[in-house]
Amino acid sequence: AQTVTQSQPEMSVQEAETVTLSCTYDTSESDYYLFWYKQPPSRQMILVIRQEAYKQQNATENRFSVNFQKAAKSFSLKISDSQLGDAAMYFCAYRSAYMDTDKLIFGTGTRLQVFP
Amino acid sequence: GAVVSQHPSRVICKSGTSVKIECRSLDFQATTMFWYRQFPKKSLMLMATSNEGSKATYEQGVEKDKFLINHASLTLSTLTVTSAHPEDSSFYICSPSRVIEAFFGQGTRLTVV
Repeated sequence: AQTVTQSQPEMSVQEAETVTLSCTYDTSESDYYLFWYKQPPSRQMILVIRQEAYKQQNATENRFSVNFQKAAKSFSLKISDSQLGDAAMYFCAYRSAYMDTDKLIFGTGTRLQVFP
Repeated sequence: GAVVSQHPSRVICKSGTSVKIECRSLDFQATTMFWYRQFPKKSLMLMATSNEGSKATYEQGVEKDKFLINHASLTLSTLTVTSAHPEDSSFYICSPSRVIEAFFGQGTRLTVV
C-alpha cells in the first residue's frame, strides 16, 4: 500500500523569505501523481501544485515550486517570497495513475506560520 | 478550477436525528465521489468512494449503515449521517473527481448535541 509522510508538523517563515516543506512517499508503482494542497483556516482545500511522475521537470506555479526526486521518493514544496496569506495547513498527496479516478492518499500535514 | 457546492456548511442536530449533506459539482461531471472526515488539526480520512449509479465502497471501520451515501447522478452526491451521536461531530468534506484531478467542497461542520 502507498503511504505519504510529512515529517514536519509545523514550520514557520518570515514574510518575503523562502520555506521548504518536506514530503516523502512509498509506492511500488511507476506511474502516479503527486499533489500539494493548501487548507487555510476556512478549511477549503486548494490545489497548490501537481506533479506527474513521468515528468522529470519539476512543476512550478508562480511562487510555488517542487523538488521531485523520483528515485528517493521525495516531493518537497518550496514557497518563495512568502506572504501572510500562505499561512495554512499544507498536505502532500499521492494518487495512482492506474485507475482513472483513484483515491488521494494524504500525508499528516504541515502547519505553516508566516510572521510579518 | 471546478466549482463544487457543499451544503450545509454548518449544522447542529440533536442526538438520534439524521443529517443529510449535499455535494454538487456545478460545472463538470464527476465520475467518482469521495467523502472524507477531518478531525481538528488532522489530515483527511477517507470514509467512502462512490461511482454514479453504484453502491459506495466504504473504508475499513466506517459503518455503512450509519453513513449512507447516494450518488444518483454525475453532479450530485449526498451523505446522510443516520441516528447521529456526539462522536459523529466532525468536519465532512466531499471530493468529486475526474481523471487526474480531485476537487473539494467547502466542507460541513457537523455538531451533534
